[in-house]
Amino acid sequence: DGGITQSPKYLFRKEGQNVTLSCEQNLNHDAMYWYRQDPGQGLRLIYYSQIVNDFQKGDIAEGYSVSREKKESFPLTVTSAQKNPTAFYLCASSTVSRGWTEAFFGQGTRLTVV
Amino acid sequence: KQEVTQIPAALSVPEGENLVLNCSFTDSAIYNLQWFRQDPGKGLTSLLLIQSSQREQTSGRLNASLDKSSGRSTLYIAASQPGDSATYLCAVRASGTYKYIFGTGTRLKVLA
Repeated sequence: DGGITQSPKYLFRKEGQNVTLSCEQNLNHDAMYWYRQDPGQGLRLIYYSQIVNDFQKGDIAEGYSVSREKKESFPLTVTSAQKNPTAFYLCASSTVSRGWTEAFFGQGTRLTVV
Repeated sequence: KQEVTQIPAALSVPEGENLVLNCSFTDSAIYNLQWFRQDPGKGLTSLLLIQSSQREQTSGRLNASLDKSSGRSTLYIAASQPGDSATYLCAVRASGTYKYIFGTGTRLKVLA
C-alpha cells in the first residue's frame, strides 16, 4: 500500500536531549513537509522540501533540523534548543506542480518531554 | 500573509442533520484548497481537493464549494452520522509556493 509512515508513534525526550522523528513515503512525491500541532493552534509548518538535498524553513523552524538525502525520507530532529517540544508532529507529502497537488499525511508522532 | 479561519470552532448536531462548515482565507491567490478530517490522536485524512479553477467537488455525502473571489469555502455534510464526529480542517496552497496554510479546524460531534 502506498502511503506515509511515521515512527515512532510515541516518543519521550529528556531535557537537553536531541531526538529524531522518522518519515518515509512510497508515493513517489517530490515535496515533503513537517508540521507541528498544538491544542487550539492548528498546524504550523516547521520545514518543507521540494526536492532532494534542498529544504526551506517554515514558520517555526527554530530548534529543529531536517535532512533530505533520499526522495523517500525526510527525518526531523528536535534539538535541545527547542524549549517547548511537547506536541503532535505530522509529516506530509505531495507532488510538485502548479495545479493538482493533493497533500497526504502520516499518522503522527506524539513527543513528550519528561 | 495568508491567513485561514474556520467557523465555528465546535459544532454539535443530532444525527441526520445536514450541516455546513466554513473556511475563509485572506488572499485569493491560491492554487487549491483541501479539506481534511482528523480523528483524535490520528493523522489527517484527505476528503476533498478543489482546484482554484473549480467551483465544487463532491464525494459521497460530502460537497465542498470554493468562491475564490470572496475567499470562502464550505464543506457540506448531508445526513450526518455519529461516525462523522471528528475535527475538520481546511488548508490552502498559496500561489507561487508549495506551502499549505491550515485553519484551526471545526470540531464536530454528531449525536446518536
